[in-house]
Amino acid sequence: KQEVTQIPAALSVPEGENLVLNCSFTDSAIYNLQWFRQDPGKGLTSLLLIQSSQREQTSGRLNASLDKSSGRSTLYIAASQPGDSATYLCAAGGGADGLTFGKGTHLIIQP
Amino acid sequence: DAGVIQSPRHEVTEMGQEVTLRCKPISGHNSLFWYRQTMMRGLELLIYFNNNVPIDDSGMPEDRFSAKMPNASFSTLKIQPSEPRDSAVYFCASSFRRTLSYEQYFGPGTRLTVT
Repeated sequence: KQEVTQIPAALSVPEGENLVLNCSFTDSAIYNLQWFRQDPGKGLTSLLLIQSSQREQTSGRLNASLDKSSGRSTLYIAASQPGDSATYLCAAGGGADGLTFGKGTHLIIQP
Repeated sequence: DAGVIQSPRHEVTEMGQEVTLRCKPISGHNSLFWYRQTMMRGLELLIYFNNNVPIDDSGMPEDRFSAKMPNASFSTLKIQPSEPRDSAVYFCASSFRRTLSYEQYFGPGTRLTVT
């Protein structure tokens, strides 16, 4: 059974810093890996999706990497802003099957 | 497109009552997923459908939970009878099953409170 772990569980940094969120998964036979953002009391917003054949994806200040063999993914946020404050969720996908989620990293960017 | 639509957004009910949550997937998507989010367990997959057919319901916690997808544009998740431990946020997601991507798009969720 797939298990997804996110480290750290919480992170607080000053505005402007570059930061890295980590995600690890136990079963490397994934089809894709998806990063989401969740604001308090809100739904999930998809940030980046990396196919198993890809190494990374970029969107604006966000860059996500995937290393299937080691069971790891990282989300890099450049020049963090207070508006980036949210919970970031990593989810491993089995193709047509559902996603297995980590517990998330609660991020606070201090103005 | 309007995205995945869920109703109601909030539901408060008493223990023992029947609860029905509704979901309309994105038009053209042929896979639909129901998830539950709690503080203790995070986000968990309950059941998913491909082309309106239930594929895996192993995540449904008890027989009190049931889900249907009568057509490609509508699904329901029913809890009967409801219990306080069912209080959670229930999300519906949809995706288009194709060879290159299974990106899932989530609805806003239904916050269920059972008293």
